[in-house]
Amino acid sequence: AQSVTQPDIHITVSEGASLELRCNYSYGATPYLFWYVQSPGQGLQLLLKYFSGDTLVQGIKGFEAEFKRSQSSFNLRKPSVHWSDAAEYFCAVGAFNDMRFGAGTRLTVKP
Amino acid sequence: SQTIHQWPATLVQPVGSPLSLECTVEGTSNPNLYWYRQAAGRGLQLLFYSIGIDQISSEVPQNLSASRPQDRQFILSSKKLLLSDSGFYLCAWRRDRGSTEAFFGQGTRLTVV
Repeated sequence: AQSVTQPDIHITVSEGASLELRCNYSYGATPYLFWYVQSPGQGLQLLLKYFSGDTLVQGIKGFEAEFKRSQSSFNLRKPSVHWSDAAEYFCAVGAFNDMRFGAGTRLTVKP
Repeated sequence: SQTIHQWPATLVQPVGSPLSLECTVEGTSNPNLYWYRQAAGRGLQLLFYSIGIDQISSEVPQNLSASRPQDRQFILSSKKLLLSDSGFYLCAWRRDRGSTEAFFGQGTRLTVV
C-alpha cells in the first residue's frame, strides 16, 4: 500500500527566506504526487501535481516541486516566502482508487 | 464547473447521539468520493471511499459508516458518537482513478461533548 512521510511537523522561516518542505513516498508503481495547502479551518487547495514527464513541476503561488525517483522524494520549494504562505502543507500520493496524505507540515512565517 | 458542498460547517453533539454529515458534488458524474478525518496534529486519515453508488470501501474499522445513495451524494454517519470522533471531517471527489487530483469541501468541525 502507498504511504507518505513528511518528516517535519513544524517549520519556521523568516519572510523573504527560501523554503523547502520534505516529502517521501512509498509506492510500488509510478506515483501520482500532489502538494496541497490548508488555511486554518478550511479545506485543501491544490498547489501542484506530478504525473509524468518533467520532474520539476511548477504550481500556484510561486511554488515548485521536484520529483526524485531515486530518493522517493517530492519536495516542495519556494524561493522567497511571504507572510501569507503561513499554513499547513500536505503531500499526497494518488493510487488507483484512493489518495493518501502525509501528516502535514505547519509553516510559520516570521516577520 | 464542478463544485462540492459539505454541511454543516460546525457541529457540537453529545456523546451517544447520532451523526449525519452530507456531501454533494455538482457538475460531474460518477465521481470517486472520499471522507477524511483530520484530528489535531495528525494529518488526514482516509475513512471511506466510493467508486459508485452503494460501493463503499472502509479504511479504518471504527464507529462510523458511509453511504452513497445517489451518484453525487456521500453521507457519513454514526449511530452513537464517541468523544474520540471529534475532529475536522473533509469530503473530497476525484474525476478519474489514479491520475487526477482531489477537490475538497470546506470541511465540518465536529465536537463531541
